[in-house]
Amino acid sequence: AQKVTQAQTEISVVEKEDVTLDCVYETRDTTYYLFWYKQPPSGELVFLIRRNSFDEQNEISGRYSWNFQKSTSSFNFTITASQVVDSAVYFCALSTDFNKFYFGSGTKLNVKP
Amino acid sequence: SQTIHQWPATLVQPVGSPLSLECTVEGTSNPNLYWYRQAAGRGLQLLFYSVGIGQISSEVPQNLSASRPQDRQFILSSKKLLLSDSGFYLCAEGVGGNTIYFGEGSWLTVV
Repeated sequence: AQKVTQAQTEISVVEKEDVTLDCVYETRDTTYYLFWYKQPPSGELVFLIRRNSFDEQNEISGRYSWNFQKSTSSFNFTITASQVVDSAVYFCALSTDFNKFYFGSGTKLNVKP
Repeated sequence: SQTIHQWPATLVQPVGSPLSLECTVEGTSNPNLYWYRQAAGRGLQLLFYSVGIGQISSEVPQNLSASRPQDRQFILSSKKLLLSDSGFYLCAEGVGGNTIYFGEGSWLTVV
């Protein structure tokens, strides 16, 4: 069975602080894909990143970075120098066959000015 | 990015009334289509997915049904709404076989 756990329900930081959102996944498949989505207050989920199980290289995109570690089944997301506009609910997701995507319960990030 | 249209955007319906939420997508043919529900303050629950016209897979037995009458059209329905059907409904499209993109969502309040 596939499962994604986001243990942090809600995180509050002050602007310019760095923050890491944790994601732990479970799967018996050797080929799988991991995702992060952002859900701002407007509600629409915005795709941020996709990683496949064969590529453990960390990725950086501006203030965003992702740390994929198969040894710990984790795919953590770090925002550097957070901004108020980063306030949103962030979802981690897992897919093995692209017919089903399994989402974590989400982490609500509050960035205070 | 993909273009996914959902309507209505907001809906208030009485208990026992029918429901029809519509989703249409633009772009590639024969996409995978999905309906997710997000209850207030909670995560995303996959309700249905479809890999082609007339092909519907249900993830959770419930008061809802889905249909795919056309390649790029996905409809979520109910004959009689329950209070527990309230939530935020998101249509999504699988693209390139490896990523799903979401529509803007439909807020349903059952009163």
